[in-house]
Amino acid sequence: AQTVTQSQPEMSVQEAETVTLSCTYDTSESDYYLFWYKQPPSRQMILVIRQEAYKQQNATENRFSVNFQKAAKSFSLKISDSQLGDAAMYFCAYRSEFGNEKLTFGTGTRLTIIP
Amino acid sequence: DTGVSQNPRHKITKRGQNVTFRCDPISEHNRLYWYRQTLGQGPEFLTYFQNEAQLEKSRLLSDRFSAERPKGSFSTLEIQRTEQGDSAMYLCASSLAGRDYSYEQYFGPGTRLTVT
Repeated sequence: AQTVTQSQPEMSVQEAETVTLSCTYDTSESDYYLFWYKQPPSRQMILVIRQEAYKQQNATENRFSVNFQKAAKSFSLKISDSQLGDAAMYFCAYRSEFGNEKLTFGTGTRLTIIP
Repeated sequence: DTGVSQNPRHKITKRGQNVTFRCDPISEHNRLYWYRQTLGQGPEFLTYFQNEAQLEKSRLLSDRFSAERPKGSFSTLEIQRTEQGDSAMYLCASSLAGRDYSYEQYFGPGTRLTVT
C-alpha cells in the first residue's frame, strides 16, 4: 500500500516571501500521479498542482511549483511571493496510474502567512 | 452547475441514531468518491462509484455504512447506529473518467458529523 508523509505540521512565512512544504511518499509502482491540494478554513479542497511521475520536468502553476525527485520519492511544493490568501492546510496526495484512482493523502501542513 | 454540493453541511446526532448525507456531483462526472477526514488528518478513502456501480469499498467502511448512487447521479452515504468515533468531516468528490481526461477530483465542502 502507498503511504504519504508530511513531516511539517505547521509552517509560517512572511507575506511576499517564499516557502517550501515537504512531502515524501512510499510506493512500489512506477507510474502514478502526485498532487498538492489546498484546504482553506471552512472551505472546500481545491487542486493546486499535479505531477505525472513519467514527466521529468517539474510542474509549475503561476506562483506554485514542485520539486519532484522520483528516486528519492520526494515531492515538495514551493510557493513564491506568498499572499494572505495562501493561508490554508496543504495536503500532498498520491494516486495510482491504474485502478480506481483513489487519492491517498498525507496529514497536511498548516501554512500561516504573516503580514 | 458550479461544483460539487453536499447536504447537510453540519449534522449533530445522538449515539445510536441513523444519519444520511447527500452528495450532488458535477453533472457530467461519472466517478464519485467518498472520503472521511478526522481532525488533524488528511482525508481517507471510503468508497467510489463509476456511474451507478459501487466498485470499491475501504476496510474503513464498516457494515454500519452504506452508500448508493441511484441512476449514476447524486449519491447518499448512510451511517446506522452512529458511534462517537464516526464524528468526522465526510467529503465527496467527483471526476470525469475516460480517455483524454485528467481524472482530476473536484471536492465538495463536506458534511461535518458530530455524534454526542
